Amino acid sequence: GQSLEQPSEVTAVEGAIVQINCTYQTSGFYGLSWYQQHDGGAPTFLSYNALDGLEETGRFSSFLSRSDSYGYLLLQELQMKDSASYFCAVRDRGNYQLIWGAGTKLIIKP
Amino acid sequence: SQTIHQWPATLVQPVGSPLSLECTVEGTSNPNLYWYRQAAGRGLQLLFYSVGIGQISSEVPQNLSASRPQDRQFILSSKKLLLSDSGFYLCAWRQPGQGARAFFGQGTRLTVV
Repeated sequence: GQSLEQPSEVTAVEGAIVQINCTYQTSGFYGLSWYQQHDGGAPTFLSYNALDGLEETGRFSSFLSRSDSYGYLLLQELQMKDSASYFCAVRDRGNYQLIWGAGTKLIIKP
Repeated sequence: SQTIHQWPATLVQPVGSPLSLECTVEGTSNPNLYWYRQAAGRGLQLLFYSVGIGQISSEVPQNLSASRPQDRQFILSSKKLLLSDSGFYLCAWRQPGQGARAFFGQGTRLTVV
């Protein structure tokens, strides 16, 4: 089957660095995306990796290794506003569905 | 630039009443459109997706239906709501060929009473 695995919860301290991992199992691969969702809000697109390597956008970076079917989201200089759930997602090869991880709740402590 | 509009933001409906949630996308053509439902603290459950006008794929057989009467309009409906239909409903779009890069509306929080 097709699935994405990510930790259910990660805790970090304000100002620190945190990494959220995502491993995937899919019949085809069309890139890995990351989304942020604050409580009560809609998911917002953060980043997209189609090729191996690191993509940086400000304090957020996303990494992909297609040979390991693995990616991660790296958040630096954590701020309290980064407290949210983070989802990884891929596109299903066979149709146009998006396959989603169950989400990682990031808890930031002062 | 592309934008997505979803309304209403919140809705309280009695059991057995009909439902109509609307979603429109601007600034793009022939998008893939999606309806998701999300229970509190949970992940995204795909309800319907559409790759073109009049083309609807259903993932969850229940008393909900979807329609795409125009290229950039996606409607979620029900003839008779159940208590179990309560949840956070999200419309999303993606451009074909853009992998898993999707963009969401603000969501509709539906409470069935």
